[in-house]
Amino acid sequence: KNQVEQSPQSLIILEGKNCTLQCNYTVSPFSNLRWYKQDTGRGPVSLTIMTFSENTKSNGRYTATLDADTKQSSLHITASQLSDSASYICVVIPLSGGSQGNLIFGKGTKLSVKP
Amino acid sequence: EPEVTQTPSHQVTQMGQEVILRCVPISNHLYFYWYRQILGQKVEFLVSFYNNEISEKSEIFDDQFSVERPDGSNFTLKIRSTKLEDSAMYFCASSELGRSYNEQFFGPGTRLTVL
Repeated sequence: KNQVEQSPQSLIILEGKNCTLQCNYTVSPFSNLRWYKQDTGRGPVSLTIMTFSENTKSNGRYTATLDADTKQSSLHITASQLSDSASYICVVIPLSGGSQGNLIFGKGTKLSVKP
Repeated sequence: EPEVTQTPSHQVTQMGQEVILRCVPISNHLYFYWYRQILGQKVEFLVSFYNNEISEKSEIFDDQFSVERPDGSNFTLKIRSTKLEDSAMYFCASSELGRSYNEQFFGPGTRLTVL
């Protein structure tokens, strides 16, 4: 069964510190892997999109890595800010004829950045 | 910057009633999607829509659900006879094309509460 598991479930860090969020998936074959940021009560916003052949992708202070052999991805946040407090969701898109109808979502890591 | 909008932001209804959730996708996008997120759970795919027909749907999207593009701008999700377990956040998303690497843009969501 296609699954995406994330750890930790929640994380509290101090402003200015770095953190790394983990994602393990069993989706195979897959087309691409995405990290989304979801503020409370809002829709997810895309941070990074990586195809299976990419190892790393950056977007400002966010850097995502992908190891397709071990089926693991991570999202590293540098110099955290209070506005980084949100849920971070790992999403895997199965390779299904090139379409992207069925995104497989992880449950997310709830990050709290404290002053 | 163009964005996906959804109305209403919160809908309260009695069990057994019909509800229609509305979405206005980004204007030049051709593919539309509905997702739901039960409180504390992961986001789940419901249905994708292209060229006035459903292109993919999940097991959740049973006969109680229907989607429609009634005009050139709106995309609706109808639940015919709501159940308590339909209480969730419903997110609409759109993408320019339907390829697996195309980014989906999510709306802010409609919180549906079934009493």
